[in-house]
Amino acid sequence: EVKLVESGGGLVQPGRSLKLSCAASGFSFNDYWMGWVRQAPGKGLEWIGEINQDSSTINYTPSLKDKFTISRDNAQNTLYLQMSKLGSEDTAIYYCARGILWDWGQGVMVTVSS
Amino acid sequence: DVVLTQTPVAQPVTLGDQASISCRSSQSLVHSNGNTYLEWYLQKPGQSPQLLIYKVSNRFSGVPDRFIGSGSGSDFTLKISRVEPEDLGVYYCFQATHDPYTFGAGTKLELK
Repeated sequence: EVKLVESGGGLVQPGRSLKLSCAASGFSFNDYWMGWVRQAPGKGLEWIGEINQDSSTINYTPSLKDKFTISRDNAQNTLYLQMSKLGSEDTAIYYCARGILWDWGQGVMVTVSS
Repeated sequence: DVVLTQTPVAQPVTLGDQASISCRSSQSLVHSNGNTYLEWYLQKPGQSPQLLIYKVSNRFSGVPDRFIGSGSGSDFTLKISRVEPEDLGVYYCFQATHDPYTFGAGTKLELK
């Protein structure tokens, strides 16, 4: 069974950084692209970006490219999302997903507030 | 960026009826490799989105055959025949043909 578990969320002050993790199990992690999607409270889904199997290709939605960094550790079966210069507009549930969003984690809440 | 326009915004239904959701793209979603990367997701209340349909018309593992995706180019439709209570929620279309990938705004399937 594919399992994706996000962690690292919480309350963070504006301007600060936060790193999310996504622990993967139940499939061969290093065989798949992985991605991140977020959802602001009461809003729709926003694709953040994706990373290929060996981290040689990473794509982002342009508006987040300078703030967010996607990485992975295949030895640890873990996907990461490093977020910097956070603002209130980044308050959202953050989901990791396998492949072109075939399987999703339960999501982790990030709240940016002073 | 590719804009996906979903209609209607909300679809009131009676259980057992058919529902239909449209997703129109601002440009063709046919990839240079010949595939069309248009997907459909359902987000039930309080849950993560779940993949229903990939590449226009292919049902994901475990998805009932009452979910039917169709379309081509820039015009796509998701039909749900015989709506059941577990089908209620928000449906999103998503394109992964053009970078950056984008979602439609969502269609809420709700009871009349």
